[in-house]
Amino acid sequence: SQQGEEDPQALSIQEGENATMNCSYKTSINNLQWYRQNSGRGLVHLILIRSNEREKHSGRLRVTLDTSKKSSSLLITASRAADTASYFCATHGNKLVFGAGTILRVKS
Amino acid sequence: GAVVSQHPSRVICKSGTSVKIECRSLDFQATTMFWYRQFPKQSLMLMATSNEGSKATYEQGVEKDKFLINHASLTLSTLTVTSAHPEDSSFYICSARDNGGVREQFFGPGTRLTVL
Repeated sequence: SQQGEEDPQALSIQEGENATMNCSYKTSINNLQWYRQNSGRGLVHLILIRSNEREKHSGRLRVTLDTSKKSSSLLITASRAADTASYFCATHGNKLVFGAGTILRVKS
Repeated sequence: GAVVSQHPSRVICKSGTSVKIECRSLDFQATTMFWYRQFPKQSLMLMATSNEGSKATYEQGVEKDKFLINHASLTLSTLTVTSAHPEDSSFYICSARDNGGVREQFFGPGTRLTVL
């Protein structure tokens, strides 16, 4: 299966702290994407990093990609209570395949 | 950004009935649409790839006669859950790939299916 694995499965932090989530995958990819999903809602696209990129920033988000290790990380800096959600990585070969996700809870 | 809609957002049906879910790309054309299924507190699992004008491609373990997919136009794909049973209760999410140069994939808001 190409489905990736994410760790941690759940993360609970205080508002203002940084949150780091990791994703590993198994096959070669064209790009890797991170999504957020609030409980019972649809997906919100956060950021896309191409296979030839190593790091990308978007606001408080920082994504890294290590294709040699087949892994990626998502860092959310200065977290807010509104960041509470599930976060998924998705790898794109010829189709988008989602990782297991990390449930992030930011306590105010 | 591009918008994908799903209808209905929630549906409750009796066991044995069939339910149709629509997925529309509102401001772009999508030759390819995807259907995902998500159980509570789990990830999205790709069920099938829907191609306009041709048969859908189903992932391993997904019954094509159970989950009928029709992609009759460049802006509409439908998923019909036939003879639904309680174990089919799930969150169904579609996405559409933009035919344009970016070829980004946009997601619908999901449909919550509850089979009694």
